[in-house]
Amino acid sequence: DAGVTQSPTHLIKTRGQQVTLRCSPKSGHDTVSWYQQALGQGPQFIFQYYEEEERQRGNFPDRFSGHQFPNYSSELNVNALLLGDSALYLCASSRGGRVTEAFFGQGTRLTVV
Amino acid sequence: AQTVTQSQPEMSVQEAETVTLSCTYDTSENNYYLFWYKQPPSRQMILVIRQEAYKQQNATENRFSVNFQKAAKSFSLKISDSQLGDTAMYFCAFMNVMGGAQKLVFGQGTRLTINP
Repeated sequence: DAGVTQSPTHLIKTRGQQVTLRCSPKSGHDTVSWYQQALGQGPQFIFQYYEEEERQRGNFPDRFSGHQFPNYSSELNVNALLLGDSALYLCASSRGGRVTEAFFGQGTRLTVV
Repeated sequence: AQTVTQSQPEMSVQEAETVTLSCTYDTSENNYYLFWYKQPPSRQMILVIRQEAYKQQNATENRFSVNFQKAAKSFSLKISDSQLGDTAMYFCAFMNVMGGAQKLVFGQGTRLTINP
C-alpha cells in the first residue's frame, strides 16, 4: 500500500515564476492538507481540501492556491514566487475530513533564487 | 488562536538513557487532540503518539509516553531506553476537535540527538 506521495522531491525556481506541487493521498484517504515548513521551523497550515473543495485556509496570501481532483489527488500552486517561499512543502492525507490519523508525505523542497 | 511552544531547541543524550521533551500550548477550547511527531532527515513526519484531551490517562506507545497536564496546558514526551534511530526533530502539535477543517498547529521543534 503506497503511502502519501509527493512530486517533485526537489525544485529550483526563479523569483516571479509559478510552481505546481503534487500530492497523491494514501489509499482510502479523501482529505488532503498542505503545510509549509521553513528551515528550522515547524510546519504552518496552508489549506485543506475535502470533496474537491477548500475547507479552510491558513494565513497565506492568494498567491497560494490549490485544487483537488476526483481521485482525491491534489495540487498546490504558488504564483509570483518570492525568495521567502523557499521551504519544504508537506502534504498530509486523512479520511473523512478528519486529521486525527493524518499521514504525511516526504515533502517537496522548493528553492527560490 | 492556538499556540504551541517547545522551549528546548536542542537536546542530546546517550543511548539507552531516558529523555523528556517539553511542550506547552495555549487554547480556550476544552476538547482537542495533542500529538508528537518525529521528523528524521528523510523529512517525512511520523506520528509518535496522540492524546485526546478528554482522556485522563496518559498515552503510551512502547518506549514513548506522555505526561499530559490539562490544567497546566503541558504535554511532555518521555522516551525511555533511547536508541540511535530516535535521532530526529520532534514536533509537538495541537488540533481542535470542533468545527470546520481540522488543522494541526505545530511548535518550533526540538532537535534530539542520541549519542552512541
